[in-house]
Amino acid sequence: GESVGLHLPTLSVQEGDNSIINCAYSNSASDYFIWYKQESGKGPQFIIDIRSNMDKRQGQRVTVLLNKTVKHLSLQIAATQPGDSAVYFCAETSASGGSYIPTFGRGTSLIVHP
Amino acid sequence: GAGVSQSPRYKVAKRGQDVALRCDPISGHVSLFWYQQALGQGPEFLTYFQNEAQLDKSGLPSDRFFAERPEGSVSTLKIQRTQQEDSAVYLCASSLLQEAFFGQGTRLTVV
Repeated sequence: GESVGLHLPTLSVQEGDNSIINCAYSNSASDYFIWYKQESGKGPQFIIDIRSNMDKRQGQRVTVLLNKTVKHLSLQIAATQPGDSAVYFCAETSASGGSYIPTFGRGTSLIVHP
Repeated sequence: GAGVSQSPRYKVAKRGQDVALRCDPISGHVSLFWYQQALGQGPEFLTYFQNEAQLDKSGLPSDRFFAERPEGSVSTLKIQRTQQEDSAVYLCASSLLQEAFFGQGTRLTVV
């Protein structure tokens, strides 16, 4: 399938390494942040989220860190696997009319070498 | 199905042709979103619905773009008089709370 990774920042790692993907957001009023994974030819898939009143949240093999002072978000993937190869987007959201509308950042292409 | 379903998966349109893209959200999800994703870019917000009400259409790029969700379930994004710059993947998402679930998208190519 056609890659959505063209023209995106790229991070290349070896299988088993830890990966860190960074994201800067713009809206200091955002109250909820999400990391999405997008594989070629597919829609974005939810990975992990974090509320603005937290600075760290852990999932299975993934950790999200939030630094509101510098409006920075990071996604850490432990023991990266070839199946983790994809484009990763951070999204900031704020409530609007009872819904949370994700606003996406540019994305980072992660390439995992066996 | 269990997820968000979009059809068609691929659409080739001649410039000037009208197209209609369909989204079947997850049953019971109140909110429905449409995004446009150009190659190598992140999804860009187009419009969103809460049930049948279109609460925000600020992202629609021109008046050639029109979206509806008449019964608060299935939604259609219509693009009139398509132009080459409309070529992109159109993503639909639905949500009940904070987490939005995305469909696989419709890839529109205008030739």
